Amino acid sequence: AQTVTQSQPEMSVQEAETVTLSCTYDTSESDYYLFWYKQPPSRQMILVIRQEAYKQQNATENRFSVNFQKAAKSFSLKISDSQLGDAAMYFCAYRRGNAGNMLTFGGGTRLMVKP
Amino acid sequence: ETGVTQSPTHLIKTRGQQVTLRCSSQSGHNTVSWYQQALGQGPQFIFQYYREEENGRGNFPPRFSGLQFPNYSSELNVNALELDDSALYLCASSQRTGQGNEKLFFGSGTQLSVL
Repeated sequence: AQTVTQSQPEMSVQEAETVTLSCTYDTSESDYYLFWYKQPPSRQMILVIRQEAYKQQNATENRFSVNFQKAAKSFSLKISDSQLGDAAMYFCAYRRGNAGNMLTFGGGTRLMVKP
Repeated sequence: ETGVTQSPTHLIKTRGQQVTLRCSSQSGHNTVSWYQQALGQGPQFIFQYYREEENGRGNFPPRFSGLQFPNYSSELNVNALELDDSALYLCASSQRTGQGNEKLFFGSGTQLSVL
């Protein structure tokens, strides 16, 4: 069975600084996707960034980027120029290729942003 | 943009009762899934429906059941409620393309409390 581990229950960053959230996963599959989701107090899961396992290039979305280390099964999220609105729970998630909506989530990291 | 709505937003039930949670998917989405998110944890996959048929199930007992309707709305039913069923229940929908790259849209969840 696939597992996703987030070892940092809480992280804190100063506004405008950079922070990195860690995630490791375990799978025997070769075709899969990895995601970072943000869950603000509104509770709605918002997709931050997605990485296809077959792509060697790390995904980027504006201030968000990932460091995908396939051999190490590591998938960290870097947030640059942190903003107050970035404060939320962040979840790393795994999905086997073409498995529809069946995601396996990590336990989450609470990110606090200090003004 | 997400257009996934869930009702009710909050619900209180007594142990042993039955509950029905509802989700209205974004227009055109043919796949819906349900997740259980206990306090302080990541969401756990319950099951998903594709074109009104159950198409994948997580490690949940049969008292968790669901339906998907032709208009792509769906229900999650839980019988014989237990205290541990207290959680946030999230609905997510997507338009399955068969290419594995579909984007998942989440609702804001139903907070269920079992007393």
